[in-house]
Amino acid sequence: EVQLVESGGGLVQPGGSLRLSCAASGFTLRSHWMTWVRQAPGKGLEWVANIKQDGSEAVYVDSVKGRFTISRDNAKNSLFLQMNGLRADDTAVYYCARDVGYAVDYWGQGTLVTVSS
Amino acid sequence: EVVLTQSPGTLSLSPGERATLSCRASQRVGSNYVAWYQQKPGQAPRLLMHGASTRATGIPDRFSGSGSGTDFTLTISRLEPEDSAVYYCQYYGQTFGQGTKVEIK
Repeated sequence: EVQLVESGGGLVQPGGSLRLSCAASGFTLRSHWMTWVRQAPGKGLEWVANIKQDGSEAVYVDSVKGRFTISRDNAKNSLFLQMNGLRADDTAVYYCARDVGYAVDYWGQGTLVTVSS
Repeated sequence: EVVLTQSPGTLSLSPGERATLSCRASQRVGSNYVAWYQQKPGQAPRLLMHGASTRATGIPDRFSGSGSGTDFTLTISRLEPEDSAVYYCQYYGQTFGQGTKVEIK
């Protein structure tokens, strides 16, 4: 059974940093692009970033470029999102998800990031 | 940059009725790159359709997708109470539409 479990969310002050982790199981992580998607409270879905199977290529939404870094450790079946320079509008539930070629077929349960003083 | 616009914002229908949800792209896109998701309150989204018209694993056949160019449609042929949710389209595994809320009367 495919499972994605996010962790690392919490309350952080504006300008602060957080590192999200996603533990993957039930499939071969190194075979898939992986994605982070976020959802602000009461709002729609926003794609944040995705990363190629071997980590050699990553793509970001404009609003996080230069602040967020997506990475992976296939040997440890893990995906990461390093978030620096956090702003109030980064407040959201962050989902880790598996790419299957221009769609996402499995999602984690999400981890809440709250940016507030 | 492709922008996806979904309509209507909210659809209120009775069980057994047909729901037609629209997703319009700001420029022509390949249908291979269009997906649809269902999200219920407090849950992660669920993939319904990929490649515009291919149902994901386990999705009932009352859900169907169609379209090409700039106009794509998700149809729910016979609404059931559990179809109450927000539905999102997505392009290229990245850009999402703003969502359509389906309410069952």
